[in-house]
Amino acid sequence: AQSVSQHNHHVILSEAASLELGCNYSYGGTVNLFWYVQYPGQHLQLLLKYFSGDPLVKGIKGFEAEFIKSKFSFNLRKPSVQWSDTAEYFCAVKGTYKYIFGTGTRLKVLA
Amino acid sequence: DTEVTQTPKHLVMGMTNKKSLKCEQHMGHRAMYWYKQKAKKPPELMFVYSYEKLSINESVPSRFSPECPNSSLLNLHLHALQPEDSALYLCASSRLEPEPQYFGPGTRLLVL
Repeated sequence: AQSVSQHNHHVILSEAASLELGCNYSYGGTVNLFWYVQYPGQHLQLLLKYFSGDPLVKGIKGFEAEFIKSKFSFNLRKPSVQWSDTAEYFCAVKGTYKYIFGTGTRLKVLA
Repeated sequence: DTEVTQTPKHLVMGMTNKKSLKCEQHMGHRAMYWYKQKAKKPPELMFVYSYEKLSINESVPSRFSPECPNSSLLNLHLHALQPEDSALYLCASSRLEPEPQYFGPGTRLLVL
C-alpha cells in the first residue's frame, strides 16, 4: 500500500541554522512528489514539486528537495532558516491513483 | 485571480440536517479536490474531479455527496452526518491532475 512517512514531527531551530526534513514514501511505481507549507493562520501552499528530470528541485523562499529513488526519499532542505519559516510542512505523494499527505512536521524557528 | 474560495468559513449542523459546502476557483483549473483534515492530522483526500467528472472517490461514506456543476465550482452536500465528521474540509484545484494544488482556506464543520 502507498504510504508517506515524515519522521520529524517537531523541529526547533535557531535562525541561520540549516534545515533538513525527512520524507520517505512506499510505492513501487512512478510518483509525483510535493512539499506543501502551512504558515500560521494561512492555508496550504506549494513549496516545490518533483515530476521527472533533475532530482534536485528548487522551490520558493530558498527551499530545495532531493529525490533519491533508491531510498524512496524526498527530503526538504534550506541552508539557513529564518523566523518567518515557522510553519507546518507536509510532504505529499501522488501514485497512480492516490494522493497521500505525510503527517507533517511543525518547524519553529527561534529569533 | 489565484484564489480558491470556500463558503461558509464555519458551519454547525445537527445530525439530521442537510447542508452544502461550496468551493470556487477562476483559474481555469480542470481538476478539483475535497479533503478532510482533523486536528493535528494531515489532509485526507476524499474526492477528485477531473474535467467535471468524478475520477477518485476514496471510499467516502454516502452521507458525503460531491457535485461539480461546472469547471469553476465544486460542492459537497452533507446529510445525516455524525459527530466524528467534525473537521476542516479543504477544497483544492490544479490545472490538471496531478499538478500542484492550490488550496482554499477550508470550512470548519462541527456536527452536534
